[in-house]
Amino acid sequence: QVQLVQSGAEVKKPGASVRVSCETSGFPFTGYFMHWVRQAPGQGLEWLGWINPNTGDTNYAQKFQGRVTMSRDTSITTVFMEVNWLRSDDTALYYCARDLNGNSHFDYWGQGTLVTVSS
Amino acid sequence: QSALTQPASVSGSPGQSITISCTGISSDVEGFVYVSWYQHQPGKAPKLILYNVANRPSGVSNRFSGSKSGNTASLSISGLQAEDEADYYCNSYSSYNSVGVFGTGTRVTVL
Repeated sequence: QVQLVQSGAEVKKPGASVRVSCETSGFPFTGYFMHWVRQAPGQGLEWLGWINPNTGDTNYAQKFQGRVTMSRDTSITTVFMEVNWLRSDDTALYYCARDLNGNSHFDYWGQGTLVTVSS
Repeated sequence: QSALTQPASVSGSPGQSITISCTGISSDVEGFVYVSWYQHQPGKAPKLILYNVANRPSGVSNRFSGSKSGNTASLSISGLQAEDEADYYCNSYSSYNSVGVFGTGTRVTVL
């Protein structure tokens, strides 16, 4: 069955970086785009961007360009998201999600990774 | 890209029907726009309930239906049940610039 298993919670100081992983199984890794979505406390869902695990191509929401990097390791069917220059408002639950058909329809989600940014 | 606009809250009694709007979707002139809807309950990951405006994934109740007119998409829930209490989000994706955006979210309360 399809599974997306994310890395554990992180606590970081402002200005630091964080890398979240999303290990996939149960489907062809290179056959589905993967997206990242976050939810800050008391806020709604926010789309960060996608990565094509086949080619490594990425596309980011304008707000995160230059500060977010998505990557993948095909040998371990895992995608990664790194956020640099963390700020307090980056505190959020970060999700990876599989794209059903390349049209940004997220049919499977990871369990979420809480990233807390605090001095 | 600004978030799409949804009503903050919608409520209804068991058995009733409700509709949630999602406004601000780019026109088709700018390229195909793909709309999906998600149900998000506390402590769980969001769940896809509609894609390509009106298609239901396997296992999703046919009480959920979707439509789109102009720059507004809508999610309807018929025969409202207590288990439908959740936050609902629309999402729009443009193939023109490969950018996605979520709606502001709607809290559904079953009275």
